[in-house]
Parts: sequence; structure tokens; C-alpha cells
Amino acid sequence: EPEVTQTPSHQVTQMGQEVILRCVPISNHLYFYWYRQILGQKVEFLVSFYNNEISEKSEIFDDQFSVERPDGSNFTLKIRSTKLEDSAMYFCASTRTGSYEQYFGPGTRLTVT
Amino acid sequence: AQSVTQLGSHVSVSEGALVLLRCNYSSSVPPYLFWYVQYPNQGLQLLLKYTTGATLVKGINGFEAEFKKSETSFHLTKPSAHMSDAAEYFCAVSGAGGTSYGKLTFGQGTILTVHP
Repeated sequence: EPEVTQTPSHQVTQMGQEVILRCVPISNHLYFYWYRQILGQKVEFLVSFYNNEISEKSEIFDDQFSVERPDGSNFTLKIRSTKLEDSAMYFCASTRTGSYEQYFGPGTRLTVT
Repeated sequence: AQSVTQLGSHVSVSEGALVLLRCNYSSSVPPYLFWYVQYPNQGLQLLLKYTTGATLVKGINGFEAEFKKSETSFHLTKPSAHMSDAAEYFCAVSGAGGTSYGKLTFGQGTILTVHP
């Protein structure tokens, strides 16, 4: 069964450093999403992406964040200058046209020290 | 705007007992509703969804949920709990179409503990 994959599973970085989180959505899916879950809190929407552009972003998704689909398979989330409060589990999700069923990856745990 | 409230951050049941996890939503458009399960150190797995049609929906692992528009609720139930059901459960809502296509708004989550 096809699945969403994410790398790395765990990323440790120092405050102020740039990080790139990578996701490979399911191959025939066209809508892509990033969510985050700070420890002990709810899962929060960050951004949705369709047709090579951002469809919607939350207020969390400020200028420090960017997303890109650099090729036909990868979908990345970049944080330019990480802050301590960026420490969280980041989930990638994808869905196909006409479906509202989002498939989630296993997540990347980002720890900012 | 959409929101989800899950009543009870922790629910504890005995093995074999009824599981009831409560979810109420708020949505300005017809909602699509979902329950996801998260096992420790894993991602989110879809249990079931309501989009249109029958208001009682069945999902994996014996779970089901009923969409009640008048009560703005989408409670998750399972007749008989199993030890393997211990996990965190999230209710989520999305709206149909527009720029919010598929964007999920999650509740706070309910941790289900199952005692032998």
C-alpha cells in the first residue's frame, strides 16, 4: 500500500540554523500539507500546497517558513532560522483530487537547542 | 472558521467495555469530519470519515461514529475495547472546496487507556 514518507525521523539543530524537512507524498496525490504538533498540544495546520503554489497558510507559517516541490516526488518544508519554539513533530500529508482523506507521514521530530 | 472540541483529554476503560470518545465541532460550511488515531511514536492513521450520505460511518478496528448535525457532534464508539486500542485519538474537521480544500482543524486529542 502506498504511503507518505518523511526524512529524517529526528532532526536536532541549533537555534538560528536552517533546516529542511523532506516528504515524499503518495505518487498520484496532488494536494500536499504540512502540520505540526508541539509536545502535548494539538496538531496544527501550517500550509497547503497545490499546483506548485501555496493554497492556504496559517498564521504560524510566517516568513521563516517556506515550502517547495523541487521535483516530481519531493515536498519540502524549510525553516530559515530556527527558534526554540519551533521544536515539534512535523507531519506531511497528501490527498488526491476529489478526496478529503489525507494520508499522513510518520513525522519528523525537530528539536531546536 | 472551524473548530473542534474533544471532551476529556483522558479516557480509561476496561478491556471489553464500551469506548466512547466525544467530539463536537463548529463549522460555517457543511463539515467533513474525521477521526484519526496516533500510536506512540507513529503518525496519524485515519480511522473513519464522514463526508456525505449515511450519518453512521464505520471505520477500521471496529470503530464507528455518528454525525449528528443538530448536536454538532461526531462521537467515536467501539462496543468492546481491546488492549491494542490504547492510543491517542484526534477528531478533525475540514470544509468543502475553496482555498481551504482539505485543511484539517484538529481537536486537542483524547488519550485512551485500556485496563486488563
